Amino acid sequence: SQQGEEDPQALSIQEGENATMNCSYKTSINNLQWYRQNSGRGLVHLILIRSNEREKHSGRLRVTLDTSKKSSSLLITASRAADTASYFCATAGQAGTALIFGKGTTLSVSS
Amino acid sequence: GAVVSQHPSWVICKSGTSVKIECRSLDFQATTMFWYRQFPKQSLMLMATSNEGSKATYEQGVEKDKFLINHASLTLSTLTVTSAHPEDSSFYICSASPLRDSNQPQHFGDGTRLSIL
Repeated sequence: SQQGEEDPQALSIQEGENATMNCSYKTSINNLQWYRQNSGRGLVHLILIRSNEREKHSGRLRVTLDTSKKSSSLLITASRAADTASYFCATAGQAGTALIFGKGTTLSVSS
Repeated sequence: GAVVSQHPSWVICKSGTSVKIECRSLDFQATTMFWYRQFPKQSLMLMATSNEGSKATYEQGVEKDKFLINHASLTLSTLTVTSAHPEDSSFYICSASPLRDSNQPQHFGDGTRLSIL
């Protein structure tokens, strides 16, 4: 099963611009995580935000979480060509349960 | 950091062949591992939860006799696609976490691309 929509499905920007991706989910969660996937590869964990947190930063990444709206956003600042990848949000419930992924956003950054 | 190794990375075989995919946690023990399937340009869909020493839990619509899961040790889970057919062609990814704590990130293998001719 999947949690919900990610918006936009595809995003094309120039190097140096910011990229914002949004994610919505349906159920209650313990945390929400963002992952990156390069074409044909596995997933790389980017950042985790707990249900009692509203904002979190990691380098050029900024994540927000609004549990009342069941939504999250990922902002990548000063994007680089190497940021080109697919980005997925995933929600975590109770311990021992699997992550449930959103549909993902494909980001293309051109130099 | 925690590493999950998945093998093989690419398999091409004839229809009717059974294919085994291994998922190993290299530097931690995992009582639970997860198997996902991903079609081109789509997201990851959970197939099953692999539990060490007990039967796997399959998601609705996933045939347990088609996708056999064995979690014989705390560091190894295997997924066997039995009598594979072209519609089973997909990207299969496993994940595991070193702690039974949902506030820790999952660690993913690099995936196995399965192509059935």
